[in-house]
Amino acid sequence: KAGVTQTPRYLIKTRGQQVTLSCSPISGHRSVSWYQQTPGQGLQFLFEYFSETQRNKGNFPGRFSGRQFSNSRSEMNVSTLELGDSALYLCASSLAPEANTIYFGEGSWLTVV
Amino acid sequence: GNSVTQMEGPVTLSEEAFLTINCTYTATGYPSLFWYVQYPGEGLQLLLKATKADDKGSNKGFEATYRKETTSFHLEKGSVQVSDSAVYFCAPHGSSNTGKLIFGQGTTLQVKP
Repeated sequence: KAGVTQTPRYLIKTRGQQVTLSCSPISGHRSVSWYQQTPGQGLQFLFEYFSETQRNKGNFPGRFSGRQFSNSRSEMNVSTLELGDSALYLCASSLAPEANTIYFGEGSWLTVV
Repeated sequence: GNSVTQMEGPVTLSEEAFLTINCTYTATGYPSLFWYVQYPGEGLQLLLKATKADDKGSNKGFEATYRKETTSFHLEKGSVQVSDSAVYFCAPHGSSNTGKLIFGQGTTLQVKP
């Protein structure tokens, strides 16, 4: 059974550009969450999606957005990139929001220069 | 909302030593509790979980017991190995109807031969 797949694994962007990250959850999982991990702030919750609906959103500016498709795959987008957006972006999937088994992908390493 | 406090690291131990990483949480209700482990350059791996009071989660020699009275979920291992060197995160569910996890700052474990 394939795990949570995130693409791309590594990318470098320039300030002001935008980036789209993709997450394919485990087959059958319909709930997807995103987290940002930085050395200074640790792991911070970005958004949660279930059945194509955003259920929760963390305390991030509007430059951070996301969506979920009918096949449960999810994307997040960051526009007008800033140096501080350099981070590991992690996607997590579960059968449903209240499910008590949540699996993470390997993450997408974003460097903004 | 829910929150979590982990003991500060790094924790440095010799191989075969006993490990305890403290975790306490504040929560409304009785959320499921998780320990995740992150090896260098990787995403988060689910180490163990407990879904109700007095439950004991265990995996790979690690154990943690859901203590409702002390709101704690301390991680223990009887004999650590060099390969256990990693960052460990304690995380309760944000609330009962969400997949959002609340992460502590993580505890770095270094095991020396």
